[in-house]
Amino acid sequence: DVKVTQSSRYLVKRTGEKVFLECVQDMDHENMFWYRQDPGLGLRLIYFSYDVKMKEKGDIPEGYSVSREKKERFSLILESASTNQTSMYLCASRNPGFHQPQHFGDGTRLSIL
Amino acid sequence: DAKTTQPPSMDCAEGRAANLPCNHSTISGNEYVYWYRQIHSQGPQYIIHGLKNNETNEMASLIITEDRKSSTLILPHATLRDTAVYYCIVRGQNFGNEKLTFGTGTRLTIIP
Repeated sequence: DVKVTQSSRYLVKRTGEKVFLECVQDMDHENMFWYRQDPGLGLRLIYFSYDVKMKEKGDIPEGYSVSREKKERFSLILESASTNQTSMYLCASRNPGFHQPQHFGDGTRLSIL
Repeated sequence: DAKTTQPPSMDCAEGRAANLPCNHSTISGNEYVYWYRQIHSQGPQYIIHGLKNNETNEMASLIITEDRKSSTLILPHATLRDTAVYYCIVRGQNFGNEKLTFGTGTRLTIIP
């Protein structure tokens, strides 16, 4: 089974902090994704990566950056956390091939105070 | 990506087959049908996907009509753990079209 592991299920941080969300997958997937999910807004794509050292902006990259130094790990960074970044963050991975399904982790529920 | 329509809610008795319909009448030739589910406070779980042939895996079966305008997800023997929101998604295979757009889905409740 595909296993996508996000480092924390729940996280509380303060406004202005730099926040790191980590995601690791164990299926040697080349493609990885970061989303946020908010009530009434559904899933929104923040960044994705087709391979190590590669990154592509999604629909809402502002205020975020990413790092992909190893194939299995994709990190999302909130440069200076703000209260409007309080959300459920979801990481996903996928085999290459656009028809391949994305597999998700259990999410990190991040609260910015 | 084609729009999908699902009933907002369904009930199914435990042990019976749950049949979840999805309408995607504007689907185009290269678009796949995907099914995910999400249990409260967890990440979406991939179930199954297909292009035009019926598909089966250890979790479910996917029946796609010959004209591809609708599909049905079948959970053959529903258990209480199958209570979740089920999302039907249609996606094209265009480079850069990476986002998954979940609609409102079907809230499936398994009744003991």
